[in-house]
Parts: sequence; structure tokens; C-alpha cells
Amino acid sequence: GENVEQHPSTLSVQEGDSAVIKCTYSDSASNYFPWYKQELGKRPQLIIDIRSNVGEKKDQRIAVTLNKTAKHFSLHITETQPEDSAVYFCAASGSNYQLIWGAGTKLIIKP
Amino acid sequence: EAGVAQSPRYKIIEKRQSVAFWCNPISGHATLYWYQQILGQGPKLLIQFQNNGVVDDSQLPKDRFSAERLKGVDSTLKIQPAKLEDSAVYLCASSLVGQGRGMNTEAFFGQGTRLTVV
Repeated sequence: GENVEQHPSTLSVQEGDSAVIKCTYSDSASNYFPWYKQELGKRPQLIIDIRSNVGEKKDQRIAVTLNKTAKHFSLHITETQPEDSAVYFCAASGSNYQLIWGAGTKLIIKP
Repeated sequence: EAGVAQSPRYKIIEKRQSVAFWCNPISGHATLYWYQQILGQGPKLLIQFQNNGVVDDSQLPKDRFSAERLKGVDSTLKIQPAKLEDSAVYLCASSLVGQGRGMNTEAFFGQGTRLTVV
């Protein structure tokens, strides 16, 4: 079945710098890749998603890139702000309509 | 638009006791999910309903966990008997259609129920 690995587990960046989180997946049939943000004690919320027929998608300071050949996708956050501090989860579609989640990346924005 | 409602928010029980969680999805959402999130980990899908039918329950420990979705709307998740390792946040989510291959729509999460088994 599908397996998703996410790196790094913790990422600390200076406010205003960029942050990049990377995920790899194993099932070449996966075609949907969402990213969720979970603030401490709160529910996960979708911030951006990408489908396999697209290589890149942007939404203001957030972008996601997908490399189907290498089976990896990345989240890019530019001009980071304190409110970007959270745990970010990637996921990939699996069989039986499941989403397989990564273990999460704790993003810390240093003032 | 009202969000996904879950109750209770917190629950503390002793091991071997029973517990039930309730979820009311967003109106009109056909798909409902129950996830287990252990501290420091990503959400793990326990069961997925499409209307009132089960799409996937492959990761549900069926010897102690059960779930139902009556009339394709509300859902309950039960644990009987609870073990220490069941301590986690139980998240309910819903989406218009499904997720995964061919049916990709955003899942909206409830606040979750934090279960502590002592």
C-alpha cells in the first residue's frame, strides 16, 4: 500500500525567510496530494492541494510542487510570518479512497 | 456554514471501560471519516463512510472499536473495552464526496475529542 514520508520533522526558520517541507510517496497511482496545517490544540485545515495532472500550484505565499517521476512533492512558504508556526501534514491518495498522511513537520518561526 | 460538530471535547476513562464519541458532519456531506491522532503523529484513518455505507475500515481494531452512521448523517464511534494505547485525539471529518483517487474534495475536521485512558 501507499507510504508517505515527510521531512524534516522540525524546521526552524527566521521570520521573513522561506520554509520548504518535503514528502515522498510510494504508490505511483496516487493522484491527489493535500497539505494540512494544524495549530496547537486545533483541528487540521487544508491549506493547499495539488492533483497529479499539475506540476505546481500557488496561493499567495504558499506553493506546492509535484514531481511524479521522483514521487515527491513539496510545500514552499515564502516570507514566513509568526502565524505560520504550526504542524504541517502532507498526504497522498491511496487505494480504497484513503488519504495516507505523513508524520508531520513542526514549523517554528523565529522572530 | 456550520462546521463539523463533535462531542465530547474531552473524556477521561479507566482502562477496560467503554466510551462513545459523536459526530455531526456538515450538512450535505456524503463522506464521513473518523481519524485517530496520537500525540506527535499524523492522523490515522479508522473508518470512512460514504452516506451510511462503510468504504474502508481496514485500520479499525474491530475487536474493540465500532462505528455506525445512522441515516447517512450523524455518526458514533465506540471503544469497548478501552486500553491505555487508545489515548489520543479522535477527529471526525466530512467531505462533499470522497477523497483519494478520482474523488478529491476537501475534508473539513471537527474540533476532536481528546481521550485519556488511565
